[in-house]
Amino acid sequence: RKEVEQDPGPFNVPEGATVAFNCTYSNSASQSFFWYRQDCRKEPKLLMSVYSSGNEDGRFTAQLNRASQYISLLIRDSKLSDSATYLCVPRGFQKLVFGTGTRLLVSP
Amino acid sequence: DVKVTQSSRYLVKRTGEKVFLECVQDMDHENMFWYRQDPGLGLRLIYFSYDVKMKEKGDIPEGYSVSREKKERFSLILESASTNQTSMYLCASTGGGRASEAFFGQGTRLTVV
Repeated sequence: RKEVEQDPGPFNVPEGATVAFNCTYSNSASQSFFWYRQDCRKEPKLLMSVYSSGNEDGRFTAQLNRASQYISLLIRDSKLSDSATYLCVPRGFQKLVFGTGTRLLVSP
Repeated sequence: DVKVTQSSRYLVKRTGEKVFLECVQDMDHENMFWYRQDPGLGLRLIYFSYDVKMKEKGDIPEGYSVSREKKERFSLILESASTNQTSMYLCASTGGGRASEAFFGQGTRLTVV
């Protein structure tokens, strides 16, 4: 089993839609979790951190399910500018392994 | 403003050349990482270092080596570049705690011809 798994997508949604991505992880010792956003030909940048059950920041909500070992990212009222690849990374010990990312395309 | 700086944005090298990719961070971070990113494969960990002179293999270390002589600098070395090492290379650093986020350099697009 891969350390981190994500559906690569793409998820094609219209503006204003709500969309959710999941990310499963295999290391049960992971303590914290991060969602990164990566635009085409750019480096990843931090979107959200999750340390307990979840976190909310405006239109973005991240939920953690430790029992099933997955984290989710919910985006409400999608904007064209949300089009990007979303990467999840569980933070355990020193090693930092990213998922392959989920590509989101928001259309007018 | 925190910074991770990679020495080059674009590089073109010939097959068989020795290639050095440099990464410098100014955040006094303990951990530094080298990834390569290819379409459909995501970010794959090549090597990481959790302290000066310490290194650990990631998931795809073959054909690469690393050097960390100073805390702020982590170098990736391609001993003999091959065309299958054409890729985007990303350096990242984090602090020591498990809650510490990763900061990335801008990436180096390496083409081996």
